[in-house]
Amino acid sequence: AQSVTQLDSHVSVSEGTPVLLRCNYSSSYSPSLFWYVQHPNKGLQLLLKYTSAATLVKGINGFEAEFKKSETSFHLTKPSAHMSDAAEYFCVVSFSGGYQKVTFGTGTKLQVIP
Amino acid sequence: ETGVTQTPRHLVMGMTNKKSLKCEQHLGHNAMYWYKQSAKKPLELMFVYSLEERVENNSVPSRFSPECPNSSHLFLHLHTLQPEDSALYLCASSQDRQGGQPQHFGDGTRLSIL
Repeated sequence: AQSVTQLDSHVSVSEGTPVLLRCNYSSSYSPSLFWYVQHPNKGLQLLLKYTSAATLVKGINGFEAEFKKSETSFHLTKPSAHMSDAAEYFCVVSFSGGYQKVTFGTGTKLQVIP
Repeated sequence: ETGVTQTPRHLVMGMTNKKSLKCEQHLGHNAMYWYKQSAKKPLELMFVYSLEERVENNSVPSRFSPECPNSSHLFLHLHTLQPEDSALYLCASSQDRQGGQPQHFGDGTRLSIL
């Protein structure tokens, strides 16, 4: 069985300050992990993915995430928030072998204060 | 056109109406998905198609009827819907159903049931 927990439903940061969105996962097998972003009235857009290569993954728009197996975490970070980063972010876990079983987190809404 | 396109973007219908949602992908993918996104609820996977065959149906009421005539097109036929069916319906595609494949999402159809 696999699961994913996004620890914060809402995060608020000031523009120009760092962003940290937390995600913990549980998977019996080697997981693939993803972060998606959803802007209002839009679909989900892939930010980055981890599939057992480098543990530090760089994505689009300056985001990155680090896979920490010992902590079963895959937190999303960005050094400096922009107003355009205000959106909802989803952490997703998928089983790497065999047929894909995808589990979505409940999402974290990021607010960026000017 | 590229990516995943969903039409219509907005749909208002009465409970006795029949309508269809359309999804088209131009990515050459072999797997397609329907999701329901309701406010304050996790993303719900409804149906999965792989090579035009339905491979997953997650206890969705029969008033939702999917159709996949070819690997590029996916429909969701709606009839006799209930007010609780009001939601954002998202279509996605992936290269195949192997684990580790990211999904590409359309912008969704916002469905409102009167």
